[in-house]
Amino acid sequence: DIQMTQSPSSLSASVGDRVSITCQTSQSISTYLNWYQQKPGKAPKLLIYAASHLQSGVPSRFSGSGRGTDFTLTISSLQPEDVATYFCQQSYTTPFVFGPGTKVDIK
Amino acid sequence: DVQVVESGGGLVQPGGSLRLSCVASEFTFKKHWMHWVRQAPGKGLVWVSRINSDGTSTAYAESVKGRFTISRDNADNTLFLQMSSLRDEDTATYYCARDGSDMALGDYNYYMDVWGKGTTVTVSS
Repeated sequence: DIQMTQSPSSLSASVGDRVSITCQTSQSISTYLNWYQQKPGKAPKLLIYAASHLQSGVPSRFSGSGRGTDFTLTISSLQPEDVATYFCQQSYTTPFVFGPGTKVDIK
Repeated sequence: DVQVVESGGGLVQPGGSLRLSCVASEFTFKKHWMHWVRQAPGKGLVWVSRINSDGTSTAYAESVKGRFTISRDNADNTLFLQMSSLRDEDTATYYCARDGSDMALGDYNYYMDVWGKGTTVTVSS
C-alpha cells in the first residue's frame, strides 16, 4: 500500500495568515492527490482534486500544488471558518489511503 | 439537492452482521462509481471500498477483505455495504461518497465529491 504522511499534524495561525500543509507519499502518484476538509461532527468536504483543481464552490483562498510524491495545500488568508482538520488522499491505486490529517485552528 | 443518505447502522455484537444502505438523489446514480469510507471515534478517515458504475468491479481495504461486500442497485439508486464477522475495530461512522470522476470524458482522478452525513456502527458485547 502507498503510505501517506502529512505535516504538520497541527498548527495554530492568526486570521489572515498564509497557511501551508504538506502531504508526502511513499511512491510517485503523479497528480492523483485530493484534499478534504472536515469540521468537527461533520462529513468531509472535497476541496481540491487531482492535486490542483479547485472543487466547485470552494473559496479561491484554497489552492493545491505538487506532483509525484510531494504535495501542498495552501490557504492564502486563513479565516475563522477554516478551523478544521485537513486530509490528503491518494487516488492513484487502491486502497485509496488517506493521510493522518492536519488540525488547523486560530491563534 | 444532490445528496446521499446512509442508514442501517447500529449496535451489533462481535461476530455479527449488518447491512448499510446509501440512497442517492438528484444525480444520475448509475453513472458514478461509489465509495464507503469510515472513521473510528476521534480518528482519521479510512477508505473501505469502492464499486464501479455497473457493479462489475469492486475493491476493498485489506482490513475488511473477505468480510465486507459492496454492491449497488442502480434501479433503486442505492449503494450497500454488507458487513459480516464484525470486530470491535470496525466500530466507526461509515460514510457513503460519490466519486466525482467523469470517466466518459476521460476523467479517472477518483475523488469523493458528495458525502453523506454518515451512519454509526458500534461493535460491542
